[in-house]
Amino acid sequence: KNEVEQSPQNLTAQEGEFITINCSYSVGISALHWLQQHPGGGIVSLFMLSSGKKKHGRLIATINIQEKHSSLHITASHPRDSAVYICAVGGAGNQFYFGTGTSLTVIP
Amino acid sequence: DGGITQSPKYLFRKEGQNVTLSCEQNLNHDAMYWYRQDPGQGLRLIYYSQIVNDFQKGDIAEGYSVSREKKESFPLTVTSAQKNPTAFYLCASSMGGPPQHFGDGTRLSIL
Repeated sequence: KNEVEQSPQNLTAQEGEFITINCSYSVGISALHWLQQHPGGGIVSLFMLSSGKKKHGRLIATINIQEKHSSLHITASHPRDSAVYICAVGGAGNQFYFGTGTSLTVIP
Repeated sequence: DGGITQSPKYLFRKEGQNVTLSCEQNLNHDAMYWYRQDPGQGLRLIYYSQIVNDFQKGDIAEGYSVSREKKESFPLTVTSAQKNPTAFYLCASSMGGPPQHFGDGTRLSIL
């Protein structure tokens, strides 16, 4: 069993739709990260959070520590949001666990 | 702007050859990491270094080697002992905690 599970694996949405990507983890964590991987392969860090909720533009990330669950929401989705979104958690010491990613395609 | 530069973007290797992937950062970060990404799998840690002249094996270090002679450079050598080297390789860095910045990756293929 992976320490980090994401769902869905693949997601196709129409432009303008509200999108939710889910992440569940099974280890004790210091922080949870949401990453965006562009089609070319480069990765950008979107959020790091250890409690509550963070918002950046059209992106919102929430975390529920008790339930070991986080969600990434994208409001008013746009084709440029098409990417792979990766959930990662920092555990004890230098442990860092990555989910397998959610591939998002937003159709105009 | 500060960042991580990985080169080359695409790399081809013949059977039995060693190849070295470059990773350079100008962020003044102490920690650097190498990850391997395969289709359908999360990133897996190959090696990491928290300080110059020191590095530690990650989860899948067999068939790989690294060096950290300079703070800004952390090259990864894929040796002929790595039996399945075809993958996407990502370098990352941080001030000392989890990786904060990632490079654009190098895609390695076997001829």
